[in-house]
Amino acid sequence: GESVGLHLPTLSVQEGDNSIINCAYSNSASDYFIWYKQESGKGPQFIIDIRSNMDKRQGQRVTVLLNKTVKHLSLQIAATQPGDSAVYFCAERRYNKLIFGAGTRLAVHP
Amino acid sequence: GAGVSQSPSNKVTEKGKDVELRCDPISGHTALYWYRQSLGQGLEFLIYFQGNSAPDKSGLPSDRFSAERTGGSVSTLTIQRTQQEDSAVYLCASSSLTSTDTQYFGPGTRLTVL
Repeated sequence: GESVGLHLPTLSVQEGDNSIINCAYSNSASDYFIWYKQESGKGPQFIIDIRSNMDKRQGQRVTVLLNKTVKHLSLQIAATQPGDSAVYFCAERRYNKLIFGAGTRLAVHP
Repeated sequence: GAGVSQSPSNKVTEKGKDVELRCDPISGHTALYWYRQSLGQGLEFLIYFQGNSAPDKSGLPSDRFSAERTGGSVSTLTIQRTQQEDSAVYLCASSSLTSTDTQYFGPGTRLTVL
């Protein structure tokens, strides 16, 4: 299917390197944040989440960092693999709605 | 099935025609959401259903858009008198009563209005 996010900012990394994808959110009242991965032709897939009372959470090969002072969220992917190539969206929750960022395309090169 | 399903996967229609898009949420999930994703854009919230409560329609872009959820399960998004700017991928997501935060998405319906 047609790719989503053809005009999105792109982060290019070498296979095996660590990737850091950044996101700025807008509302200091948002209490919950999620990172989604979207591959071409598919719906977004949940990766990891974090609540506002935390500043770091780790999953398998992924870590999310939350800096509430500057309203910044980041997703770190360790040992990036070709299968990690996708568009990554951060989302903040406000009143049961998820407000999504514009997305970042991650391109992994061998 | 184990996940959220949507049909059709692709829909091509002519300007002015009505279309219906279907979403089957994960069994047992009480919350259902519709989003729109235009090319090169993030996801735009359209509407949210939670159990038997009145839906949150605050994201619907015009009165040509409507949605219903029958029996607390399947949902249909209807777009009347389609316009070219309605062309997008329409995504449905559901979440469970005990975990209203994590939304699980379907594959989407790609709508093209000629």
